Order: sequence, then structure tokens, then C-alpha cells
Amino acid sequence: GQSLEQPSEVTAVEGAIVQINCTYQTSGFYGLSWYQQHDGGAPTFLSYNGLDGLEETGRFSSFLSRSDSYGYLLLQELQMKDSASYFCAVKAGGFKTIFGAGTRLFVKA
Amino acid sequence: GAVVSQHPSRVICKSGTSVKIECRSLDFQATTMFWYRQFPKKSLMLMATSNEGSKATYEQGVEKDKFLINHASLTLSTLTVTSAHPEDSSFYICSAKGMGTDTQYFGPGTRLTVL
Repeated sequence: GQSLEQPSEVTAVEGAIVQINCTYQTSGFYGLSWYQQHDGGAPTFLSYNGLDGLEETGRFSSFLSRSDSYGYLLLQELQMKDSASYFCAVKAGGFKTIFGAGTRLFVKA
Repeated sequence: GAVVSQHPSRVICKSGTSVKIECRSLDFQATTMFWYRQFPKKSLMLMATSNEGSKATYEQGVEKDKFLINHASLTLSTLTVTSAHPEDSSFYICSAKGMGTDTQYFGPGTRLTVL
């Protein structure tokens, strides 16, 4: 079967750096995306990695290693508003997007 | 960024009635739209993928006769939940993407409650 694994919860303090890992096992791989979702809201796109390496967008960075079937989202200078759920998603075979179960990030003052 | 709207944002209906949810891409042409269902504190479950002018492709286990999807134009897709039952109560989210891009832009979601 196809699966994505990410931690269920992460807690960090304001101003810190946090890394959310995602490992995947899918039939086919075309790219890894990250989405943020606040409670009661819809997901918003954060980043996309189609090739190995690091993509940086402001305070957020995302990394991909296709040989390890692994990626991570790095959030720097954490703010309280970053408290949300973060989903990794793989564009797999048949161009189907599969979402991970999500990681709830709690940012403490 | 691209904007996707959904209407209604909330709907409460009686068991046995049908409910239509609209998803619109406001500032780009959405060649592909996706419909997801999300249970509380759970991940998104893809229900179906629709390409403009074509029949939707449903995921395994999703009843196509119950969840009717229409994508008649490059800016509008609709999901109709037919003969809704309490177990259909959920958060339904659409997303849209344009040609040549992998980025999906999500609508704000529709919370359906079936009494």
C-alpha cells in the first residue's frame, strides 16, 4: 500500500526552530508538498520539492531526498500563529496526491 | 496567490435531502479540481478528481452515484451529496490547479451537518 509517515505532534517555543519529518512509500513519485491548516480552516500551500535538495521560502524551508524517500519541513523563528497542523503530500503514480495524517504543531510562549 | 471559493461554508440539512456544494476558481483557469473529505483532526481523503469537460475519476470506495461531481467550466465544479445521511456529515474541501502546475489551491471548505 501507499503510506506517508509524519509525527502526530510537535511542541516548540516561540523563536525556536522546528523540523517536521515525512517519510513516504508510494507507487511512483513526482514530488513532495507541504500544507498548513489551522483549526477550522482549509489547507494552504507552503512548499513543493520535485528534486532533491532544499527549497527556502521565507521562514519556511523544505527538503527532499528521493533516495531516502524522505523529506522535512523546517520552520524558523517560530511564532504563535504557526500553531497549526502541517501535512506532507506526495504526488504519486497516476498523478494522485496522497496526504499524510498531519503533524500538530504547538508553539509555546 | 490564486483564490478558490466554496459555497456554502456551512449547511445543515435533513436526512434524505440532497446538498450541492460549489467550488470556484476566481482568478485562474482550473483545469483540474479535486474534492476532499476531512474528518475532525484527521487528514484529507481524496474523493475524486475532475478535469474540465470530463467525467470525474472517483477514488476506490467513493460512491459515484452518491457524490455527483460536475466540472462544466474552467472555473466551476460542483459536488452534490445525494440523499444525505448523518454519516455524510463532514468537512468537504475542494482544491484547484491550473495547467502545467502541481500546486493545489484549496477552497475554505464546507461543513455539512446532516440531521
